[in-house]
Amino acid sequence: NAGVMQNPRHLVRRRGQEARLRCSPMKGHSHVYWYRQLPEEGLKFMVYLQKENIIDESGMPKERFSAEFPKEGPSILRIQQVVRGDSAAYFCASSPVSGGYYEQYFGPGTRLTVT
Amino acid sequence: GNSVTQMEGPVTLSEEAFLTINCTYTATGYPSLFWYVQYPGEGLQLLLKATKADDKGSNKGFEATYRKETTSFHLEKGSVQVSDSAVYFCALSAISNFGNEKLTFGTGTRLTIIP
Repeated sequence: NAGVMQNPRHLVRRRGQEARLRCSPMKGHSHVYWYRQLPEEGLKFMVYLQKENIIDESGMPKERFSAEFPKEGPSILRIQQVVRGDSAAYFCASSPVSGGYYEQYFGPGTRLTVT
Repeated sequence: GNSVTQMEGPVTLSEEAFLTINCTYTATGYPSLFWYVQYPGEGLQLLLKATKADDKGSNKGFEATYRKETTSFHLEKGSVQVSDSAVYFCALSAISNFGNEKLTFGTGTRLTIIP
């Protein structure tokens, strides 16, 4: 049973370009979480999605960032017009259910570098 | 808001040494507490957890006790091995207004064990 997959593992973008980060949850998991780790900081919650629905986006920056989890295919975290401050590691996690504590299984992360 | 402060690294120990990684937290209510471990090139894995005061989580020789009076959840292991080399994250969880679990992480402590 494959774990949570993220790609690409490393992504380099110039300022002003778009970054698209993909997350495939574990088989049977329909809940996805995105976290961001800025240099020298802990992971910070960004957004929680179920299939075709954004449930909690309280940690998402108000501009340039968006997330989706379509009925088919991976979850996508999209960053438009990237800036140097977006350079970070982005982690995705999935769980089978929510509404109480069910373990979140993490992917290896995507390291975004903005030049 | 909720926050987690953990011992800064990196920490380097000899094999069979005693390990302590300190973790303290600030939270409203009664969060659950966790230690996650990240091995090189992999995603975060849940190492142990405790859901209420005085609970002790344990796994693979690691232990941590939920101390409400000192708001701490220090990680300990009596005799470390080279294979324990990894980054360790302390985290707490809280239920959001949307009913989902939100994890708040510390900055991580990189542990290196030398033979």
